[in-house]
Amino acid sequence: QKEVEQNSGPLSVPEGAIASLNCTYSDRGSQSFFWYRQYSGKSPELIMFIYSNGDKEDGRFTAQLNKASQYVSLLIRDSQPSDSATYLCAVIGVGTSGSRLTFGEGTQLTVNP
Amino acid sequence: DGGITQSPKYLFRKEGQNVTLSCEQNLNHDAMYWYRQDPGQGLRLIYYSQIVNDFQKGDIAEGYSVSREKKESFPLTVTSAQKNPTAFYLCASSFKGNVLGPTDTQYFGPGTRLTVL
Repeated sequence: QKEVEQNSGPLSVPEGAIASLNCTYSDRGSQSFFWYRQYSGKSPELIMFIYSNGDKEDGRFTAQLNKASQYVSLLIRDSQPSDSATYLCAVIGVGTSGSRLTFGEGTQLTVNP
Repeated sequence: DGGITQSPKYLFRKEGQNVTLSCEQNLNHDAMYWYRQDPGQGLRLIYYSQIVNDFQKGDIAEGYSVSREKKESFPLTVTSAQKNPTAFYLCASSFKGNVLGPTDTQYFGPGTRLTVL
């Protein structure tokens, strides 16, 4: 089992719709969770981080964390063509030496005008 | 401007050559990291350093070496022992926070694309 798994995609949604990106992790002791966006040929940029169970909202983005189910998701409301990118889920586990992130393989999102 | 810089943007290596990728940050971050990304894949950790003159192997350290002589700099050398080095190399940095704090957020440089000729 991979340490961090994301829905394989690619995911395609129409402009204005809600895009839902999902991530599960195997280390039950994981504490910190991050979503990065990566445009083709570019480096990842941080969208959100979440540490506590529940929802965290930032503009059109909402991160949801359920530690009991070992599940973290990212919702993008009112999706725009500029949201088309690969979204990477990353996790830091308890006991990890320092801030060592484990990444999923990413979900490619396309928003169609 | 504060940020992380990587150079060169593109690098070509001949068989048997060692090449060094540069990473510099002026964010006063304690920790620095090197990742490798292959097409359609996530990021894999090569090496990381939390303090000057100390570094640890990541998941795929074989064929790579690093140094951390200054807080601002963390160069990566791809040696001839790395048999398949063609990839996108990403450097990141963060404060040395605890795992529950926002200070452990990693920020990435623009990357170096290495191709073996």
